[in-house]
Amino acid sequence: LAKTTQPISMDSYEGQEVNITCSHNNIATNDYITWYQQFPSQGPRFIIQGYKTKVTNEVASLFIPADRKSSTLSLPRVSLSDTAVYYCLVGDVAGGFKTIFGAGTRLFVKA
Amino acid sequence: SAVISQKPSRDICQRGTSLTIQCQVDSQVTMMFWYRQQPGQSLTLIATANQGSEATYESGFVIDKFPISRPNLTFSTLTVSNMSPEDSSIYLCSVAGQGLSPSNGYTFGSGTRLTVV
Repeated sequence: LAKTTQPISMDSYEGQEVNITCSHNNIATNDYITWYQQFPSQGPRFIIQGYKTKVTNEVASLFIPADRKSSTLSLPRVSLSDTAVYYCLVGDVAGGFKTIFGAGTRLFVKA
Repeated sequence: SAVISQKPSRDICQRGTSLTIQCQVDSQVTMMFWYRQQPGQSLTLIATANQGSEATYESGFVIDKFPISRPNLTFSTLTVSNMSPEDSSIYLCSVAGQGLSPSNGYTFGSGTRLTVV
């Protein structure tokens, strides 16, 4: 399983775009990149998943360069309610990979 | 995506006792996972539970301490045995859906907050 590295914490203000980058230098050919969000006293919640290039949904965008050794989660115009821990995971989804969590990034959104 | 009901949501237990946590899924799923999350920390995988076979435990976790049942494709239990204060943590179950597609991710229960006194 590829190890991931993320910043421990980030601060932002309401209305700003937030970009959280994750390094996964040992990503394998069949691995997907998945991001989760976790609020206090709740289980993690799936945000977005991608394999290469760019993926966008109603919540976020995921940018993956050609070498796939890193990925960037982009949250447009954050609000106070986006304050949470964000986890980047890498694994072979089709193979039913077990989700191994790294330390995650604690995002603090200020008014 | 699947909906998970996890019980109990929280409990305070005496040391030396055991607690069984239940995880019920609203659809049949092949793989279920149990995690522990200590205060302020990330999630640590305890074991993977597949229906019809023994659970597979991660390093540092043993069946005698964390026995797991998986009687069918919608249900699993995790027991925390002979508890000590160090077992105080949040325990979560997670599922990988049958016919999982890359866009679905995994679903987590809301967790069981365990305090051992």
